[in-house]
Amino acid sequence: DTGVSQNPRHKITKRGQNVTFRCDPISEHNRLYWYRQTLGQGPEFLTYFQNEAQLEKSRLLSDRFSAERPKGSFSTLEIQRTEQGDSAMYLCASSKVGRRTYEQYFGPGTRLTVT
Amino acid sequence: AQSVTQLGSHVSVSEGALVLLRCNYSSSVPPYLFWYVQYPNQGLQLLLKYTSAATLVKGINGFEAEFKKSETSFHLTKPSAHMSDAAEYFCAVRLSSNTGKLIFGQGTTLQVKP
Repeated sequence: DTGVSQNPRHKITKRGQNVTFRCDPISEHNRLYWYRQTLGQGPEFLTYFQNEAQLEKSRLLSDRFSAERPKGSFSTLEIQRTEQGDSAMYLCASSKVGRRTYEQYFGPGTRLTVT
Repeated sequence: AQSVTQLGSHVSVSEGALVLLRCNYSSSVPPYLFWYVQYPNQGLQLLLKYTSAATLVKGINGFEAEFKKSETSFHLTKPSAHMSDAAEYFCAVRLSSNTGKLIFGQGTTLQVKP
């Protein structure tokens, strides 16, 4: 069990650029979640996958945001035409459907700064 | 709608003193409740969880929490604070349905004074 990993850990970009983040969940975890955390706030749910299917999306996930999990393993979160309001920590979590479905394990996050 | 309220955005205690971090939830169905800890520039680590079994839940690092349905509360306690407990703590709720998402409170920053 190597834990959830996220890359990059930090990303600085200029407004209007596109960015992509990657999340590698714990192996054999079939659920994967994305959250966004702004300074001084708790994480807010963005979307989640079960295997490769995206089952729920928050209203926070505007049409500039897209997430994929093509083979049911790693996931990517892309933000197009970034805005300063997108600056936040993007957290990924994974869990395994079954007896302990409710336990989500978080990665270290990707901190995005839009200048 | 489900929500979580953490009373007190900052709590300061002396090393060795009791830690009490408050969490109240709003849910129309029996909830699953969690406490997570976050150290600076890191992700969240699960401290403990309530999943409709025992109402007094013990977690890691000496923390425990008690689920009180009548008060819709799930307060986190630790008998004796340690300097290493200084961090941000988040309470979260998840419906006992198949919905996977967690709803987090705004967090409480715990400061431990020597």
